[in-house]
Amino acid sequence: DMKVTQMPRYLIKRMGENVLLECGQDMSHETMYWYRQDPGLGLQLIYISYDVDSNSEGDIPKGYRVSRKKREHFSLILDSAKTNQTSVYFCASSLSREQYFGPGTRLTVL
Amino acid sequence: QQNVQQSPESLIVPEGARTSLNCTFSDSASQYFWWYRQHSGKAPKALMSIFSNGEKEEGRFTIHLNKASLHFSLHIRDSQPSDSALYLCALRTGGYKVVFGSGTRLLVSP
Repeated sequence: DMKVTQMPRYLIKRMGENVLLECGQDMSHETMYWYRQDPGLGLQLIYISYDVDSNSEGDIPKGYRVSRKKREHFSLILDSAKTNQTSVYFCASSLSREQYFGPGTRLTVL
Repeated sequence: QQNVQQSPESLIVPEGARTSLNCTFSDSASQYFWWYRQHSGKAPKALMSIFSNGEKEEGRFTIHLNKASLHFSLHIRDSQPSDSALYLCALRTGGYKVVFGSGTRLLVSP
């Protein structure tokens, strides 16, 4: 059964703190994604990773960076978090066409 | 920049009704089309996909794609309360970037 995991599931941070969101997949998929989901805005693409150390900005990369040192693991980093980064973050992986999503991380920045 | 619009934003239908959800897009070169379903508090999950003009049926669900009119739709026959969810259309033009609509929230009342 294809599985994407995300840690942590819930996180509360203060403005200015650093945030690390982690995503793992056990399918050896080359392509991985980070999205954020806000009410009424659907899923907005933050970054795409095509494989280890091969990352590309999505539509809203400002304030975020990513790291992919192993194919099965993709991290999203917020350096000095801002209140407008409060959102639900989803990671996804893809082999060819369909995307498989993780359960999401609900991040609150106070 | 691909523009994907969904209508209606929300919909309430009685159990047993036929439901139609719509998605319009701006780039006729789009190649791959999906409908994702997201139950409250859960991850999006691919429901159906289509990769060429026409219609595809799976059980109570039918999707229809017309690239010339830039229109993609999902029809649910005999709607059930378990169909209540956020429905997201998604499409891919080239490369691996996937663009999502903002979603239609469907509520099926018993």
